[in-house]
Amino acid sequence: DTAVSQTPKYLVTQMGNDKSIKCEQNLGHDTMYWYKQDSKKFLKIMFSYNNKELIINETVPNRFSPKSPDKAHLNLHINSLELGDSAVYFCASSPPRRSGANVLTFGAGSRLTVL
Amino acid sequence: KNEVEQSPQNLTAQEGEFITINCSYSVGISALHWLQQHPGGGIVSLFMLSSGKKKHGRLIATINIQEKHSSLHITASHPRDSAVYICAVSINFGNEKLTFGTGTRLTIIP
Repeated sequence: DTAVSQTPKYLVTQMGNDKSIKCEQNLGHDTMYWYKQDSKKFLKIMFSYNNKELIINETVPNRFSPKSPDKAHLNLHINSLELGDSAVYFCASSPPRRSGANVLTFGAGSRLTVL
Repeated sequence: KNEVEQSPQNLTAQEGEFITINCSYSVGISALHWLQQHPGGGIVSLFMLSSGKKKHGRLIATINIQEKHSSLHITASHPRDSAVYICAVSINFGNEKLTFGTGTRLTIIP
C-alpha cells in the first residue's frame, strides 16, 4: 500500500524520558512534515523537510529534534519529555506544487501520553 | 484572533440535507486546504484550492481570494460524512506549511 506510515501508534511514557516517533512514506514525495494536535484538537506545524533539508522549524522547544536520513523518512525525537508534550503527532508528506496534484497525505497519527 | 476562522464550530443535520461550512482567513495565501478528520483520528486531504471551485463526488469547495473566504459544501449528506472538517491555509508557495482553523464538527443524523 502507498502511504505515510507512523510508528508507534500509541506511546505512554514517564516524564523525563526520551522517545522517538518514526515516519516513512513510499509516495515518492519530496517534502515531509510533523504536525502536533493538542488536547483541544488544534493542529499546528512543527517541522518540514524537503529532500532531507530542514525548511520549516516553528517555535518548538529544542527538546524536539527531527531527523531525515533520506527523503522517505522523517523521524521525531523528543528529549526530557514533559506533561505538555502529550498530544497526537501527525506526519505528512506532499509532492512539489508544480506537480499540480493535491496529495497532502497524512499518517494515522501517534498518540503520545506523558505521565 | 486565529488567522483562520471557521463557522460553525458544530453542525448537526438530518441525512440528505445540504451542508455548508465556511472558512475565513486574514493573511495572503498560496493555497487553501480542506481536510477531513474522522472519529478514529485519521486526517484526509479533501481539496487544495488556489482559485475558483473544485468538485469531488458530493463535495464541492469554493474560494474567493478577494474576500479571503472559502466554503465547503456537501450535497445529499450521509451519516458517514460525520467528521471534523478543517480548513487550513498555506502561505508559502513551495510547501504546505499549514495554518489551521479550529475545525467544524459535523454530525449527520439518519
